[in-house]
Amino acid sequence: QVQLQQWGAGLLKPSETLSLTCAVYGGTFSDHYWNWVRQTPGKGLEWIGEIRHTGATKYAPALKRRVVMSIDLFMKQFSLRLTSVTAADSGVYYCALGETHYQLESWGQGTLVSVTS
Amino acid sequence: SYILTQPPSVSVAPGQTAKIPCRGANIGFKSVHWYQQRPGQAPLLVVYNDRQRPSGIPDRISGSSSQNLATLTVIRAEDGDGADYYCQVWDSDSENVIFGGGTSLT
Repeated sequence: QVQLQQWGAGLLKPSETLSLTCAVYGGTFSDHYWNWVRQTPGKGLEWIGEIRHTGATKYAPALKRRVVMSIDLFMKQFSLRLTSVTAADSGVYYCALGETHYQLESWGQGTLVSVTS
Repeated sequence: SYILTQPPSVSVAPGQTAKIPCRGANIGFKSVHWYQQRPGQAPLLVVYNDRQRPSGIPDRISGSSSQNLATLTVIRAEDGDGADYYCQVWDSDSENVIFGGGTSLT
């Protein structure tokens, strides 16, 4: 059973960079797709993107200009950076384990991010 | 971009059957996944690939899909089934994971 534990700064000012990390416990790191999803009052659940153990990424078209994902195979962690945040980026951010058909089988506990001046 | 449409709420009496629809163009040609989300918790995958259940999900919950409609069915509804439910697909045209707006089951 794979478990995900995430952390990162929860309070940001406009134009700052959001940075979150997710650690993976159990399972085989190379067998899955590692995703970030957010839940905002304005847009509900929104996929941000995924990264594979090879470092290959896919990003949501609406966010790809501001998103960078990275992976640390040794530490079994993956990270999200979202630049130039605004209030519209406020919400709960989740890391999640994805499978072949993009189903998200396991989720982190979520991190509440608030962007305010 | 691809759109999945769900009703904001569906009501069901205890012991009865609830059906939660998710509409999308040619959704029958996509793999549809469903999540249950209780307040303050992360979403939980309850159905994947249209009709398969992860281990631990009761067989009272099932999924189906054809043409332009996918449906999550909960039979013998219990108080604990009250939650928000989201459908989700992968849209290969836009290379994007798409979620429905969610349905509150009460």
